[in-house]
Amino acid sequence: EVQLVESGGGLVQPGGSLRLSCAASGFTLKNYWMHWVRQAPGEGLVWVSRINADGSGTDYADSVRGRFTISRDNAKNTLYLQMNSLRAEDTAVYFCAREIVGALTDPWGQGTLVTVSS
Amino acid sequence: QPALTQPPSASGSPGQSVTISCTGTSSDVGGYNYVSWYQQHPGKAPKLMIYEVTKRPSGVPDRFSGSKSGNTASLTVSGLQAEDEADYYCSSYAGSNNFVFGTGTKVTVL
Repeated sequence: EVQLVESGGGLVQPGGSLRLSCAASGFTLKNYWMHWVRQAPGEGLVWVSRINADGSGTDYADSVRGRFTISRDNAKNTLYLQMNSLRAEDTAVYFCAREIVGALTDPWGQGTLVTVSS
Repeated sequence: QPALTQPPSASGSPGQSVTISCTGTSSDVGGYNYVSWYQQHPGKAPKLMIYEVTKRPSGVPDRFSGSKSGNTASLTVSGLQAEDEADYYCSSYAGSNNFVFGTGTKVTVL
């Protein structure tokens, strides 16, 4: 069964850091470009970041560029999102997903909640 | 990258059709055939319903169809069923290795 499981969310103070993980199973992670998408409580989906199959290329939304770093360990079948200098507006559920021809295919992960608050 | 514009809500009775629009610019929706649509039920992860403007992934009912004209893409749900009640989001490649989602539309089955 194809599955993505996010972890690493939690409560963090403004200015703090967190590292999210996305563990893949049932498929070979190295065959896919991967994305992070977030959703603030009661709000819509927002694209955050993308990484190519071998990890040599990364892209970011303007709102997180310079603060967030996406990476992957294909040997461990795991995707990461290092989040630094966190702000209240980064509070959201963070989802990971696989890309196929410009779309994010099923299944997505269940999401992990990041709350930035003092 | 500003979000793509969708109507906040849409509704229809069971068996009817509903069409949701997704308006962008020539830099995103109008410039690429990488428009996709997602269904999200409350508390659940999004589910891919349409990709590359018109294509349906395996397992998605053919009641769901996509189209595009200029800078506006559309999702049509025909033969509405109770389980179609959900939030729907469009998305597009936006050039320069960026992606953008729509503002979301809540579909209500009356």
